[in-house]
Amino acid sequence: KAGVTQTPRYLIKTRGQQVTLSCSPISGHRSVSWYQQTPGQGLQFLFEYFSETQRNKGNFPGRFSGRQFSNSRSEMNVSTLELGDSALYLCASTPRGGSYGYTFGSGTRLTVV
Amino acid sequence: GENVEQHPSTLSVQEGDSAVIKCTYSDSASNYFPWYKQELGKGPQLIIDIRSNVGEKKDQRIAVTLNKTAKHFSLHITETQPEDSAVYFCAATAVIQGAQKLVFGQGTRLTINP
Repeated sequence: KAGVTQTPRYLIKTRGQQVTLSCSPISGHRSVSWYQQTPGQGLQFLFEYFSETQRNKGNFPGRFSGRQFSNSRSEMNVSTLELGDSALYLCASTPRGGSYGYTFGSGTRLTVV
Repeated sequence: GENVEQHPSTLSVQEGDSAVIKCTYSDSASNYFPWYKQELGKGPQLIIDIRSNVGEKKDQRIAVTLNKTAKHFSLHITETQPEDSAVYFCAATAVIQGAQKLVFGQGTRLTINP
């Protein structure tokens, strides 16, 4: 069975631009969570979507947003990029939400220059 | 909110020796404690987990222990092998806005020396 797929794997953007990242969960999983991973801050929770609804949001500015589609695929968007947004963005899916059985994708490496 | 501290940040052991990574958490309501292994260029992969009603769990060379009173849990890897070299993360559950999420420790870079 296919795992969690994140696209693209790598992105280079300029400050002030916006970016959209995509996550396709494991088939049948209805929940997608997004995390930002940086060397200094570790894994920081961004948000969780379940059945197209945002259930949970971390402590990030409003420039970070997301959505989930009816097929459970999720996108996250970062507007007005800053240098500090450079990170590995990971998504994880679970069958019904919550913390049990997270399966992570390989992430999207975003570099802001 | 929940805070998870993980030690050490780096750990180097000889192949065949044991490795121990320790985590403490702050929220006494946390009830699920997974451990993840992250290899270069990959996302974290769940290797073992433990729920709050269990004190210890073992899976071949890997074991996790939980002390709820002291709010700490540990990962034990025995008979280490070169393929165990990776970054390991502990995590604990937290309830935010009525929904559960995982809070991660800062990670431990484990190096197995041949």
